[in-house]
Amino acid sequence: GENVEQHPSTLSVQEGDSAVIKCTYSDSASNYFPWYKQELGKRPQLIIDIRSNVGEKKDQRIAVTLNKTAKHFSLHITETQPEDSAVYFCAASQPFTGRRALTFGSGTRLQVQP
Amino acid sequence: DGGITQSPKYLFRKEGQNVTLSCEQNLNHDAMYWYRQDPGQGLRLIYYSQIVNDFQKGDIAEGYSVSREKKESFPLTVTSAQKNPTAFYLCASRGGGLAENNEQFFGPGTRLTVL
Repeated sequence: GENVEQHPSTLSVQEGDSAVIKCTYSDSASNYFPWYKQELGKRPQLIIDIRSNVGEKKDQRIAVTLNKTAKHFSLHITETQPEDSAVYFCAASQPFTGRRALTFGSGTRLQVQP
Repeated sequence: DGGITQSPKYLFRKEGQNVTLSCEQNLNHDAMYWYRQDPGQGLRLIYYSQIVNDFQKGDIAEGYSVSREKKESFPLTVTSAQKNPTAFYLCASRGGGLAENNEQFFGPGTRLTVL
């Protein structure tokens, strides 16, 4: 089955700096890669996703890049703000398999220091 | 809030007791999922259902059971066979056809604690 590894497990940055979180996946058939933000005690919320037919996607201060050959994808947050502090999860999903459920990375706790 | 609700928000279970967590969605989604989240960890798949009256085991199904009698509802029962059930339980649903990968929407979660 799919295995998703995520690094780093914790990340502390100064307000205004950029943050980068990296994930690798094992199943070359995976074609959908969402990123979720989870605040303490709350549900994960989708912040951006990318499909395997594109290499990069941006949404304001957030961008995701995908390297299918190397089987890794990254989340980039620019001009970080204190409200970006949360746990971020990457995930991968495969088409045409029975479940099409997400396989999650172990999470990155991002702390933005004001 | 995405049209998915879970109840209760907090649940306390005594050892040897079965408990049922509720998950309801009004998004007209065919697929529904149950995940378990332990502190400092990612989400692990317990059970999933792609369509009414059908469900399949995920990666950590032992000690859990589900039903899918209605499209809107996917309750999860934590049985006494689950030896370490204390965790945060998240229900999710996904729209789109079987050949698609689309966003999964999560419910607010149920925090289960064994006394």
